[in-house]
Amino acid sequence: GEDVEQSLFLSVREGDSSVINCTYTDSSSTYLYWYKQEPGAGLQLLTYIFSNMDMKQDQRLTVLLNKKDKHLSLRIADTQTGDSAIYFCAEDAGSYQLTFGKGTKLSVIP
Amino acid sequence: EAGVAQSPRYKIIEKRQSVAFWCNPISGHATLYWYQQILGQGPKLLIQFQNNGVVDDSQLPKDRFSAERLKGVDSTLKIQPAKLEDSAVYLCASSAVQHEQFFGPGTRLTVL
Repeated sequence: GEDVEQSLFLSVREGDSSVINCTYTDSSSTYLYWYKQEPGAGLQLLTYIFSNMDMKQDQRLTVLLNKKDKHLSLRIADTQTGDSAIYFCAEDAGSYQLTFGKGTKLSVIP
Repeated sequence: EAGVAQSPRYKIIEKRQSVAFWCNPISGHATLYWYQQILGQGPKLLIQFQNNGVVDDSQLPKDRFSAERLKGVDSTLKIQPAKLEDSAVYLCASSAVQHEQFFGPGTRLTVL
């Protein structure tokens, strides 16, 4: 079955880079996603990567995909206090149905 | 462009009562999803609609949960009767391009 694993907490200093890691189990996933959730809000789609890509860069965000190890990472450059949130990794379980991890809470220290 | 709208934002009920949530997707989005997010967990898919037809409801506890999307636009999710373990945030999402889902703010349900 599908399962997505993430570490639960990450703390970084403002201005440093953050790297949030995720492992997934469904090798047939077509897309892999990163969502951001701020307190009391819904999920905001940050970025996604197609499974035939190794890397995708979008401004301060870099996504790396290692299909062999089923490992996905999100790097946030120059992390700001506004980046403090919970970040969810998700895989496409088929028919564009998403399976989410439990989320990584990113705390940015000023 | 207006986002996904959900109401109410908060609801507190006692166990065994019934409750309904409403979702208005982004205009033109054919696919609509309902997710349940228990505190400390990621969202879990309950049901997926394509226009007014159900694509997948395999994770929906059908003995107490029901959902409909009669005219292929708005959707309602109902719980009857509610249990303590139904306390969660219920998220609605919609998509036009199927690999991009946009989420509403959610309805936080507390069952006492």
